[in-house]
Amino acid sequence: DVKVTQSSRYLVKRTGEKVFLECVQDMDHENMFWYRQDPGLGLRLIYFSYDVKMKEKGDIPEGYSVSREKKERFSLILESASTNQTSMYLCASSGEGQEFGPGTRLTVT
Amino acid sequence: GQNIDQPTEMTATEGAIVQINCTYQTSGFNGLFWYQQHAGEAPTFLSYNVLDGLEEKGRFSSFLSRSKGYSYLLLKELQMKDSASYLCAVPNTGGFKTIFGAGTRLFVKA
Repeated sequence: DVKVTQSSRYLVKRTGEKVFLECVQDMDHENMFWYRQDPGLGLRLIYFSYDVKMKEKGDIPEGYSVSREKKERFSLILESASTNQTSMYLCASSGEGQEFGPGTRLTVT
Repeated sequence: GQNIDQPTEMTATEGAIVQINCTYQTSGFNGLFWYQQHAGEAPTFLSYNVLDGLEEKGRFSSFLSRSKGYSYLLLKELQMKDSASYLCAVPNTGGFKTIFGAGTRLFVKA
């Protein structure tokens, strides 16, 4: 019953490291999303993609980039991780409502 | 712009009924979603309303009034496992992006 998977549940990285978060969905959805979720701030959209190689900035794209080379895979990249990027990162793809992956709790030290 | 308001926290007793309200402002309307999120886990889809009225799904029901920019999630026969955050969300005018409320944390006590 696998739907949306993310490469890691927990990740610890150092400041300045390049970080890759991978997301894969098996529902043949065209739209995929990356959010971060912080206490008191709710879910905030970082980037989304509506087709292979297509991407759009969300509300907080600074410090992030994305890659969508295949329909089922949407990657989030932190070019140079900073401590303020410590957060829970959630990937989603959309059918009826958005189907979320389990999340990656990233800590940048 | 778009904005969603919902209460931060609510407490209710096992077996009771609780109503979680959500008000929203959007430039267009493409439906309203409710999600449930247990601590440390991802949100899971509960309901989608696009027309006015009440939609019932087992113990959970969701109501929408488009003219008032208002929705509520009704949980009946509360169980301890219903302790979670409940997120109200609306897609933007283009439909690609979804704006999420900050969530209402529900505590169910014995």
